[in-house]
Amino acid sequence: GQNIDQPTEMTATEGAIVQINCTYQTSGFNGLFWYQQHAGEAPTFLSYNVLDGLEEKGRFSSFLSRSKGYSYLLLKELQMKDSASYLCAVRDSNYQLIWGAGTKLIIKP
Amino acid sequence: DTGVSQDPRHKITKRGQNVTFRCDPISEHNRLYWYRQTLGQGPEFLTYFQNEAQLEKSRLLSDRFSAERPKGSFSTLEIQRTEQGDSAMYLCASSSLNSGRYNEQFFGPGTRLTVL
Repeated sequence: GQNIDQPTEMTATEGAIVQINCTYQTSGFNGLFWYQQHAGEAPTFLSYNVLDGLEEKGRFSSFLSRSKGYSYLLLKELQMKDSASYLCAVRDSNYQLIWGAGTKLIIKP
Repeated sequence: DTGVSQDPRHKITKRGQNVTFRCDPISEHNRLYWYRQTLGQGPEFLTYFQNEAQLEKSRLLSDRFSAERPKGSFSTLEIQRTEQGDSAMYLCASSSLNSGRYNEQFFGPGTRLTVL
């Protein structure tokens, strides 16, 4: 079967750094996405990885290791507005997105 | 066109009633997706259109669910004889081979359904 695992909840302090991990087992791989979702709102695209390595985009970076079926999202200089759920999704061989359950990130002052 | 729109944003209905939701994708996107999301979970795939053709339906989509995209533009999702277990956020997303930099899906604001 297809499976994506990420921690249910994480807590971090404003100004700090946090790493959210995602492991996956899917039928085929055509890229991995990270989306941010604030409570009651739609997911919004954050980052995409299809090759191994680190993609940096301002305060957010995403890493991929295809051989390990592993990705992480790194958030630096945390701000209160970063409190949200972070969803990992893999595009499979049918070009469909398989979603994780999301990691709820709580930022404390 | 600034994004994907969905209507209504909220729907409260009594068990056994039928409901219909509408999604207007980004105009140049030929792919349209419906998802269902419950609290603390990621989006669950329901169905997918490429232009007007419905190419895939999830096993989650029972006979009470039907979706259409008659002219390859907007789409409707109908739930017949609603049950309390249908209470969820229904998300619509669109994409195309040229959407964004990575063919990513763009989501609408969702329709929150509450079945009493």
